Amino acid sequence: KAGVTQTPRYLIKTRGQQVTLSCSPISGHRSVSWYQQTPGQGLQFLFEYFSETQRNKGNFPGRFSGRQFSNSRSEMNVSTLELGDSALYLCASSAGVGYGYTFGSGTRLTVV
Amino acid sequence: GESVGLHLPTLSVQEGDNSIINCAYSNSASDYFIWYKQESGKGPQFIIDIRSNMDKRQGQRVTVLLNKTVKHLSLQIAATQPGDSAVYFCAENEGTALIFGKGTTLSVSS
Repeated sequence: KAGVTQTPRYLIKTRGQQVTLSCSPISGHRSVSWYQQTPGQGLQFLFEYFSETQRNKGNFPGRFSGRQFSNSRSEMNVSTLELGDSALYLCASSAGVGYGYTFGSGTRLTVV
Repeated sequence: GESVGLHLPTLSVQEGDNSIINCAYSNSASDYFIWYKQESGKGPQFIIDIRSNMDKRQGQRVTVLLNKTVKHLSLQIAATQPGDSAVYFCAENEGTALIFGKGTTLSVSS
């Protein structure tokens, strides 16, 4: 079956702009999580959605938000972009807690 | 084969050696652990997982050991191949979130 699909793969934005990233989970997976990966901080949890509800949130400012649709597809939004938001943003889907998490290839965001 | 007692950011081995990558986790309440492999330009790829009611689990060429007493996790790769070159991360669950370790870059030379 198809894996986790993230779009777009690459994105360049200017400081102050906003951006929306998309994630389509594995068919049947209702949990979608988002992570930020940077060389300095490593992989950090942003938030997790299950059945359109945010169940868990990491320690990121309110500029980072997300949502999940009824078909389990998810989007994350970053407003008022800062240079430090440049990162690889990864989406992972799961059938449930303790059932493993499958990651997409990520969206590489560069803020200039 | 090569082994490390503490987390090291890099590990270099010869093809055919056994590799051991170590990881310390922080939360004694974590009950699920995963090892991921990440190649350049790709997302993390699942290797093997283990639940806290086990202390060892084997997959194809890989074994994960869990020591809950000292909160230590290790990944053993048998007969390491050049295709195993990547960054390896351990992760522990914290509710519905995964908390990742710093990662170890494994370099395999032939």
